[in-house]
Amino acid sequence: GESVGLHLPTLSVQEGDNSIINCAYSNSASDYFIWYKQESGKGPQFIIDIRSNMDKRQGQRVTVLLNKTVKHLSLQIAATQPGDSAVYFCADINFGNEKLTFGTGTRLTIIP
Amino acid sequence: DSGVTQTPKHLITATGQRVTLRCSPRSGDLSVYWYQQSLDQGLQFLIQYYNGEERAKGNILERFSAQQFPDLHSELNLSSLELGDSALYFCASSVGVSPKNIQYFGAGTRLSVL
Repeated sequence: GESVGLHLPTLSVQEGDNSIINCAYSNSASDYFIWYKQESGKGPQFIIDIRSNMDKRQGQRVTVLLNKTVKHLSLQIAATQPGDSAVYFCADINFGNEKLTFGTGTRLTIIP
Repeated sequence: DSGVTQTPKHLITATGQRVTLRCSPRSGDLSVYWYQQSLDQGLQFLIQYYNGEERAKGNILERFSAQQFPDLHSELNLSSLELGDSALYFCASSVGVSPKNIQYFGAGTRLSVL
């Protein structure tokens, strides 16, 4: 079964506010995590990744936080824009099992 | 545009039939991955090829097979199709052999089995 799951299937955020998308994983052997964005009618698009030896990584308007103690991953999007509307997937790779396993996804809707 | 090209975009066929999905990776990428995205199973890894050789297998049915050709394009063959095979099939490519290299996804092939 999946080792990665999401807390909420949908999230609605006011334009300009910050968004936080959460993800839980179950396998302690997971050593690499990645967030993908999928817009309607398109394939997943890489957003940001983080390795298990890090707690935080920042990109352009996005930050990923990793809490290995509680096996929790989050994606923060600053100043959410209409173009951020999409389904967001977290995924992980377990050490020794070199396959990307995706979570079920969270649909982010931006309210104008 | 990710640089990964998948054809066809849509495919409608009947149960019991066989289809071939095609993927051209980004220029310079040696790895090709196939994924299936369905409503009930989410995005599932099927198989990876690296420079023509099978590298890793996921939840790929025996009715499904894939190959990567010398020009690095890949084909996914689905046979004895069932209604449950209806899904989006994505191809992704990356530069190296490790799936930790960023994978760039194509726009997918939507397969409808009637």
